[in-house]
Formats: sequence, structure tokens, C-alpha cells
Amino acid sequence: SQKIEQNSEALNIQEGKTATLTCNYTNYSPAYLQWYRQDPGRGPVFLLLIRENEKEKRKERLKVTFDTTLKQSLFHITASQPADSATYLCALHGSGNTGKLIFGQGTTLQVKP
Amino acid sequence: NAGVTQTPKFQVLKTGQSMTLQCAQDMNHEYMSWYRQDPGMGLRLIHYSVGAGITDQGEVPNGYNVSRSTTEDFPLRLLSAAPSQTSVYFCASSYSRGTDQPQHFGDGTRLSIL
Repeated sequence: SQKIEQNSEALNIQEGKTATLTCNYTNYSPAYLQWYRQDPGRGPVFLLLIRENEKEKRKERLKVTFDTTLKQSLFHITASQPADSATYLCALHGSGNTGKLIFGQGTTLQVKP
Repeated sequence: NAGVTQTPKFQVLKTGQSMTLQCAQDMNHEYMSWYRQDPGMGLRLIHYSVGAGITDQGEVPNGYNVSRSTTEDFPLRLLSAAPSQTSVYFCASSYSRGTDQPQHFGDGTRLSIL
């Protein structure tokens, strides 16, 4: 069956360190993978999209990698800040061109000052 | 430009009642969708629409109806509310159905069924 898995355990790190979140998928062949941020009581907010032929993509302190052989994406936040504390979701499209976006369950990041 | 607007923000229903969750977007987006979010389950797709007059089912469509009479609006109807439908509901939109399209989400409707 098709699965998208993110670490359900919260990730606690110290301010200034690099946070690394993992997204693994099975039985998908996505052309794109997306990452979102969700704050408590709010809807998810789009952060980054990476294409299958891009190994890495950066936006300010964020970096995403996409390994289609390992079927894995890594999401890095460098020089983390307490304001980065949130839940981070990865998402990819199911088969066909229906636009259906399937989400992982998210990983909660807590950055301590 | 308000983005995606969902109403109401909170609602409590009794089992068997019906109601409509409203979703409107002002970005002229073609694609709209409804998700529910439950602890430990992540976001699950209920229904989606690739344009006015066109809707289709997602992962968990049972107990819900949708229609898309205009580009802007995509209401979600609960036909006969059940406690299992207690959840947070999110509406999202994107420019098109394309797999490279980021989704824009509303801030959700928190629904409790007693």
C-alpha cells in the first residue's frame, strides 16, 4: 500500500543547531514533493517544493533534499530559532493527474532557547 | 486579498444533525479540496474539485457531500453528523490541479459532534 511516513516523535533541539526532519514514502513515484509548516490552531503554510530531478533546494535557512532511490526527503533548518517551533508536513501527489495531495502525519519541532 | 476563508471557526453539533462548512477563495483558483485532520492521522483528503461543476472523492468521502457551483466557493455538507466526524476541517485551493502547485489553506473549522 502507499504510505508517507514522518517521525511521529517530537524533535527537540537547542537554538542555533540544525534541525533535520525525515519524510519516507513507499509505492509512490512522485514528480514533486512539498513541505508545509503548521502552527497550532492554523492551517498548513507552503514552504518549499522540490522536483524529482533536483537533489537539493534551498530557501533562506531551509534546505530540502529529495532522493528518489531511497524514496526519502530530508528537511533541514539551519541556525534554528524558537520561532521555528511548529509541525512540519511533507506531501506528494497520488497517481494520475487528479491533483490529490497526500500528506504525512507531520513532525513537531521544538526549538529551545 | 483574503486567501482561503472558512466559516464557522468552531461548531458543536448533536448526532444526526446536518450542517454546511463554508469555504471561499478569492484567488481565482481552479482546484479546491477538503481535508480533515485528526491526532496521529495527519491530513486526509475528503473531496476535491478541479473546477466549477466538477467534484470527486478523496480518501474518506463517506458521510460528506460537496458541490462546486462557482469558482470561488466549495462548501462541505455533513448529511447526518456522527461522533466519528469530530475533527478539524481544512479547505485548500491551488491555481490548478498540477502536481507542482502549492496549496493555500484556510485556518480550519473545529467541529465537535456530541
